Amino acid sequence: DSGVTQTPKHLITATGQRVTLRCSPRSGDLSVYWYQQSLDQGLQFLIQYYNGEERAKGNILERFSAQQFPDLHSELNLSSLELGDSALYFCASSNHGNTEAFFGQGTRLTVV
Amino acid sequence: GENVEQHPSTLSVQEGDSAVIKCTYSDSASNYFPWYKQELGKRPQLIIDIRSNVGEKKDQRIAVTLNKTAKHFSLHITETQPEDSAVYFCAASKSTGTASKLTFGTGTRLQVTL
Repeated sequence: DSGVTQTPKHLITATGQRVTLRCSPRSGDLSVYWYQQSLDQGLQFLIQYYNGEERAKGNILERFSAQQFPDLHSELNLSSLELGDSALYFCASSNHGNTEAFFGQGTRLTVV
Repeated sequence: GENVEQHPSTLSVQEGDSAVIKCTYSDSASNYFPWYKQELGKRPQLIIDIRSNVGEKKDQRIAVTLNKTAKHFSLHITETQPEDSAVYFCAASKSTGTASKLTFGTGTRLQVTL
């Protein structure tokens, strides 16, 4: 167990819908990262938050947004969902930049 | 931005043999290079990492080497075992203050056969 908790584990939704993925980082970690992993693909960096503020951005679609709350948990919002958004979404946390990032178990999103 | 290339995409070795996975990165400012192992259906887990002020690091059967001049780094697994079968990802990162963007390679599927 990495100490990073993601909910839900599985999510099935229809095209055009909106979903929210939740992540609770390890105790004491201030940084939260979101990654997308499509089938048999690598890990695509989406966004990083540090202590509530956005710090780095990857190839995140405009339909996607995220935030980190005062209690340091983070949410990834995906809207106007398309079939191609089906993927495994990982959250990771670390104490600071350039240190080990601990991954959660992921949320498997299926858009039908 | 940073670009990380990883080779090979698949690697099959016999139990007891060595496996080598290579990665190159584009941003000379990158200074942190972790390697993650991902078993089927599971989360990526760090197996070893190296920083730019170190050329080599070893942890039991696993070692990583870094060549900053050539901008490439490699993972070496010796005496491979069936439980080493997984997908391995290299990554590169540079930290500017509290900002950190870990860019991953495309992964290497390692199969250790008996």
